[in-house]
Amino acid sequence: EADIYQTPRYLVIGTGKKITLECSQTMGHDKMYWYQQDPGMELHLIHYSYGVNSTEKGDLSSESTVSRIRTEHFPLTLESARPSHTSQYLCASGHQGIGTDTQYFGPGTRLTVL
Amino acid sequence: SQQGEEDPQALSIQEGENATMNCSYKTSINNLQWYRQNSGRGLVHLILIRSNEREKHSGRLRVTLDTSKKSSSLLITASRAADTASYFCATDAGRDDKIIFGKGTRLHILP
Repeated sequence: EADIYQTPRYLVIGTGKKITLECSQTMGHDKMYWYQQDPGMELHLIHYSYGVNSTEKGDLSSESTVSRIRTEHFPLTLESARPSHTSQYLCASGHQGIGTDTQYFGPGTRLTVL
Repeated sequence: SQQGEEDPQALSIQEGENATMNCSYKTSINNLQWYRQNSGRGLVHLILIRSNEREKHSGRLRVTLDTSKKSSSLLITASRAADTASYFCATDAGRDDKIIFGKGTRLHILP
């Protein structure tokens, strides 16, 4: 079982609200990722980080923002939620090193924007 | 465009039978991974196979990699109800620590 946590697990909010999805890991991993996944569909990378103060946009354009002030913490923020943001958001982390190795996933946050 | 693509999209088999899923990709890779996702949960890493490996085993899982055909297969032997999940292949394609996931195969084990 991976030591990576996401809160909340489920969130239902109204349009226009500001929300922050929390992700934290206790494995000391430098690399962290946020994916967006609609039910039954593939994962799309929306943000990633190689370490503290490093953030990059992923392959799927997203109106969300991220920050990486501490190694273990990688929160995702939506300033003004819209129904189009309804989806599942998965956080993952991995070791820093040469090449691409295993990613460890949190349980996900299922977001519904009314 | 999608790097990895699983086939079939969905598969239903009887408990005890073997399940085979395939993954095809487009560009050269350093390694290929398989993940499992139970409904409404995060992904769990199953196995990683590097480009210089042809076959790898882990318990009831067997993964093969054919770099000449740019394809991989995941075999689950003696399936159990708990194997019901979606299975994703993921490739790196040399994209600096990012991996690209396929659309997944939804496996349903019938009692």
